[in-house]
Amino acid sequence: DSGVTQTPKHLITATGQRVTLRCSPRSGDLSVYWYQQSLDQGLQFLIQYYNGEERAKGNILERFSAQQFPDLHSELNLSSLELGDSALYFCASSTGHTGELFFGEGSRLTVL
Amino acid sequence: SQQGEEDPQALSIQEGENATMNCSYKTSINNLQWYRQNSGRGLVHLILIRSNEREKHSGRLRVTLDTSKKSSSLLITASRAADTASYFCALGYSSASKIIFGSGTRLSIRP
Repeated sequence: DSGVTQTPKHLITATGQRVTLRCSPRSGDLSVYWYQQSLDQGLQFLIQYYNGEERAKGNILERFSAQQFPDLHSELNLSSLELGDSALYFCASSTGHTGELFFGEGSRLTVL
Repeated sequence: SQQGEEDPQALSIQEGENATMNCSYKTSINNLQWYRQNSGRGLVHLILIRSNEREKHSGRLRVTLDTSKKSSSLLITASRAADTASYFCALGYSSASKIIFGSGTRLSIRP
């Protein structure tokens, strides 16, 4: 158990809809990362937050947004969903100093 | 591109043999990490090597880093069935900043 909690574990929705994925980092970790993993692919970096502030941005679509709240949990919002958004979405946290990431088990999104 | 390229994409070896996978990159890094992913699960951190280090060991794992060639290798010695997984290198460009993953190597251990 990494200590990182992601909800929901599975989500099935329709094209055009909007979903929110939630991540609770390990206790004490200030940094949260979001990644997208499509079937049998590598991980695409989406965005990183550190202590509530956006620190780095990757290949995140304009239809996607994220935030980190004062209690350090983070949410990834995906809107106007398309079939190609079907993927595993991972959240990872770190202290922000060592660089080692602790991953949640992911949220599997299926867009029909 | 800031992404690492892993080689081979897939590797199948006999149990007990050693497995070597490589990661190459194009831009200077602060550190390089290796992670393991069992099918559809979250990634697990294996080892981190900093840009000023050349080699690191952890149990049956040995990681090397050659910054002049911009490449790293992960060696798993005396492989076991439980080592069957995908292995990813991850490039760290500065502390508390983005970490970019490679495309991964799928390792299968034959009994």
